[in-house]
Amino acid sequence: NAGVTQTPKFRVLKTGQSMTLLCAQDMNHEYMYWYRQDPGMGLRLIHYSVGEGTTAKGEVPDGYNVSRLKKQNFLLGLESAAPSQTSVYFCASSYTGRSNQPQHFGDGTRLSIL
Amino acid sequence: QKEVEQDPGPLSVPEGAIVSLNCTYSNSAFQYFMWYRQYSRKGPELLMYTYSSGNKEDGRFTAQVDKSSKYISLFIRDSQPSDSATYLCAMTGAAGNKLTFGGGTRVLVKP
Repeated sequence: NAGVTQTPKFRVLKTGQSMTLLCAQDMNHEYMYWYRQDPGMGLRLIHYSVGEGTTAKGEVPDGYNVSRLKKQNFLLGLESAAPSQTSVYFCASSYTGRSNQPQHFGDGTRLSIL
Repeated sequence: QKEVEQDPGPLSVPEGAIVSLNCTYSNSAFQYFMWYRQYSRKGPELLMYTYSSGNKEDGRFTAQVDKSSKYISLFIRDSQPSDSATYLCAMTGAAGNKLTFGGGTRVLVKP
């Protein structure tokens, strides 16, 4: 019963490096989301997807790209990492986008950019 | 100013006490209100979900929504050390798929 799995769990990057965060869900959910969580800021939506092959911008999309080539996977990319992107990143999924469908979260990726 | 305001705490209570948490918001379009619990080093998990105004009870948890005041609350009765966590309020409008979160309140229940 994996639910939402995020890899890696921790990563340290240097400014300017690139990396990809992977999110996988085994619940056959249509919607997937990427959030970042910073102290006192709650979770802020970066990008989301309403189905395989689709992506859309959230509240704080700048500096990030995403892809949803397979229904079960949602990738978050940082092309040129900046210290301001140091954060904890959470992936979530939901069966639909309706308000009464809860979002299920992974346990996060802690990313530090030096 | 943030759309959703939540006192960061920490809120420290003795075991068995009632924990009272709240959020205020500014967007009158919000219709659906949620409370998530987040343990340290874990992702948020949904605790309570409420539509529009009113109360909802689930075991030791009670959620209240007052849309006229733009104020929501979560009460935890008979608090246990296992309730020690950060509690996040979240809300959304009719479209539903974009949640706006509060910053979270850290709760410590001392045995």
